[in-house]
Amino acid sequence: QKEVEQDPGPLSVPEGAIVSLNCTYSNSAFQYFMWYRQYSRKGPELLMYTYSSGNKEDGRFTAQVDKSSKYISLFIRDSQPSDSATYLCAMSKDAGKSTFGDGTTLTVKP
Amino acid sequence: EPEVTQTPSHQVTQMGQEVILRCVPISNHLYFYWYRQILGQKVEFLVSFYNNEISEKSEIFDDQFSVERPDGSNFTLKIRSTKLEDSAMYFCASNGQGLPDQPQHFGDGTRLSIL
Repeated sequence: QKEVEQDPGPLSVPEGAIVSLNCTYSNSAFQYFMWYRQYSRKGPELLMYTYSSGNKEDGRFTAQVDKSSKYISLFIRDSQPSDSATYLCAMSKDAGKSTFGDGTTLTVKP
Repeated sequence: EPEVTQTPSHQVTQMGQEVILRCVPISNHLYFYWYRQILGQKVEFLVSFYNNEISEKSEIFDDQFSVERPDGSNFTLKIRSTKLEDSAMYFCASNGQGLPDQPQHFGDGTRLSIL
């Protein structure tokens, strides 16, 4: 079983839709949960960062962590074509070494 | 906003040759990392570095790999004798103290092509 599972998609939505991206994990020691956005041939760009459980909102982005279910989510409201990218979830025990999911490729169509 | 910078952006090397990938982490960060991403695959941890020594390494990081912080600003990854399977994007990352508000920031990577 992979430590971090993420559906690779691809996911295609119309502009303005609400996007839901998810990851599950098996290691209960993970305490730090990150979402990165990656454009082709670029490095991961940090979007959201959550410590332990709970919700965090930043503009159109909301990250949720449910440690009891070992499940994290990223919601994107009012999606734009510029949101088209690969979204990576990543997790860490101590803000050190991060374990990544496979990434979900998102296309937002105008 | 401060950023992690990596050079070169693309490195082409013959199999068996040594290669050094360079990174300048964010200036007040203390923890440094290398990750790699083989084309079409996920980002994988290679090594973390703190206080001038390796703090953790993965099974990928074998004796062919080494890291160094030769001065106060640079952080390097050396592959001593490259193999075809070393072809990948290599990302450097850094963060501050291990606090909840200090996530890792990544550079744009070096694309390493082994011929």
